[in-house]
Parts: sequence; structure tokens; C-alpha cells
Amino acid sequence: ETGVTQTPRHLVMGMTNKKSLKCEQHLGHNAMYWYKQSAKKPLELMFVYSLEERVENNSVPSRFSPECPNSSHLFLHLHTLQPEDSALYLCASSQDSGWGNYGYTFGSGTRLTVV
Amino acid sequence: GQQVMQIPQYQHVQEGEDFTTYCNSSTTLSNIQWYKQRPGGHPVFLIQLVKSGEVKKQKRLTFQFGEAKKNSSLHITATQTTDVGTYFCAGPGAGNMLTFGGGTRLMVKP
Repeated sequence: ETGVTQTPRHLVMGMTNKKSLKCEQHLGHNAMYWYKQSAKKPLELMFVYSLEERVENNSVPSRFSPECPNSSHLFLHLHTLQPEDSALYLCASSQDSGWGNYGYTFGSGTRLTVV
Repeated sequence: GQQVMQIPQYQHVQEGEDFTTYCNSSTTLSNIQWYKQRPGGHPVFLIQLVKSGEVKKQKRLTFQFGEAKKNSSLHITATQTTDVGTYFCAGPGAGNMLTFGGGTRLMVKP
């Protein structure tokens, strides 16, 4: 248990489906992140939230929609995905979003397969 | 933007041999972090280096930050099968967000 919990661990979805990934952190951190990990791009930052406000969106397609209702929870809503979106989606948290003496704590990830 | 490059991409070693992975940045880094990801697992924070020329040790792992703060290395002495995984370095990128290198995948033959 890392202190960052992601559900589900595995997800298979069709291209027309809508699903959501959930992340919850129990560390009292102020910043949360979504990363995509695939064979082509090992750790690709998607979204950053600091104190529930989106700080950065790294040119992610609109079929990925993040939501951060509070500093402990982060969602990634998925719709009309493509097979190339199949990857491991990792949530992470840190004490704050600015560079400092804080390592990132990652969740176990959601292995997503789009069919 | 700031790029963090890691070499080698893969490394096979015999158990007991040493291993080193190198991280190079196109710009000066305020500090650098190292992570380990076991096969099927998630990245786990190992250490952060802040000072120019800093060297830190964790048992058989030695981490070094270059004098110019543009490169770093991780050296493992006498590798064990438990060292298997991918080692990532990460430095501050645009907006001070963490930018990860491509990782070095270490495989250890028993």
C-alpha cells in the first residue's frame, strides 16, 4: 500500500464506452498527477492538479477528461478511446506541484486495454 | 523544453556484476530524483540529489550528481536478482513539473 490507491487495477473497454479511473491519496498531499506509461513513451505527464486546480494539461486529447473534486481525489474520465490509448495509467501525488524536496508517490496504476 | 536522457536503455548483467545508468540533461538542474519500477509495478521514489557533486549511498546503490548539475548516475555494486527493474531519473521541466528520463531496464541473470 503506497498511500495512493487507484481503481480499477485492470480495465478493458470498447471504443464507444465511457469509463472513469479513480485515484485517492491518503498522504495529505496538495498536488496530484495523471501519467500515461506505454512502451513508446515510458512516463508521459498528462494532467497536474494543485489544490484542486488544474495547473497543466500537456496537450492531451479531449477524449481524456480529468476531474479533481478535492485534494484527496482525482478522476480520469474516458470516452471514445482509440486502441493506441491502451497503456498503464498512473496516478501520483506530491506535497506540492512546484519543484521542491518532495518525491512523487505513485499508485499501482490502471492497466487499460481498448478493444 | 528541458530534456532528460538516460543511457543505456537496457542492460543485461550476470548476478554479482556491477551496473551503472547515466542521466543527462540539456539544462542545469536544480536537483534530480531517482525512481525504481519493478516489473509489473509502479515507480517508487529512491532518492533526491540537490548539491553540485553530491554523492549519496543506499546500501549497494550509489547516486551521484555532476559538478555542473547537468548529469547524474546510479551505480549498483554486485547486482542481485532483486535489483531487476527499470530505473528512472527525473528533473524539473517546464513549470517546475517533474520530467522523467526514458529509463534504464536492468535484467539480472542468476
